[in-house]
Amino acid sequence: GNSVTQMEGPVTLSEEAFLTINCTYTATGYPSLFWYVQYPGEGLQLLLKATKADDKGSNKGFEATYRKETTSFHLEKGSVQVSDSAVYFCALSRNTGTASKLTFGTGTRLQVTL
Amino acid sequence: NAGVMQNPRHLVRRRGQEARLRCSPMKGHSHVYWYRQLPEEGLKFMVYLQKENIIDESGMPKERFSAEFPKEGPSILRIQQVVRGDSAAYFCASSTGQGSFNEQFFGPGTRLTVL
Repeated sequence: GNSVTQMEGPVTLSEEAFLTINCTYTATGYPSLFWYVQYPGEGLQLLLKATKADDKGSNKGFEATYRKETTSFHLEKGSVQVSDSAVYFCALSRNTGTASKLTFGTGTRLQVTL
Repeated sequence: NAGVMQNPRHLVRRRGQEARLRCSPMKGHSHVYWYRQLPEEGLKFMVYLQKENIIDESGMPKERFSAEFPKEGPSILRIQQVVRGDSAAYFCASSTGQGSFNEQFFGPGTRLTVL
């Protein structure tokens, strides 16, 4: 079956530090890949996505590249801010031609301090 | 355009009671998904519905849980005879269902506590 593995947190960084959150996946076929962010007490928001190999998703300074050869989709940001403190979820969905469910990783909590 | 609405936001039930969670999708969305988030865990898929149809219920527990999405009104996730292990955050998402990459928009969740 499909699965997503992401690095365990919490990750604690100082403001302006470089961020990497690792994500690898197992899936049949060629899934679409996503990063979602969850702020305290809120639902999930889509941060970025990539739908085929070598695609790079980017948004708000975050980026991730779909690496088919390593089955990875690592999230990076060059300079984090305190406002980036949240839980980040890597997810995939199958490309079946119709809408389908998301399979999530366990989430990585990021805390950014001044 | 209002986002996905869920209510109640917080629900407290005693063991053995019933819990009803409601989800109103975004305007124009006819596909609804329910996910459960246990403490310190990721979201787990439960069920995927279109209007009046269950498309995929592979993540639903076999007993006590049911879901519907009637022609009129919100989608309902119903948990009968709740147990402490049902305590979790339940998230609803909706989409247009168009194409294979259509984005799912999430509601704020209902946090169920079973005493």
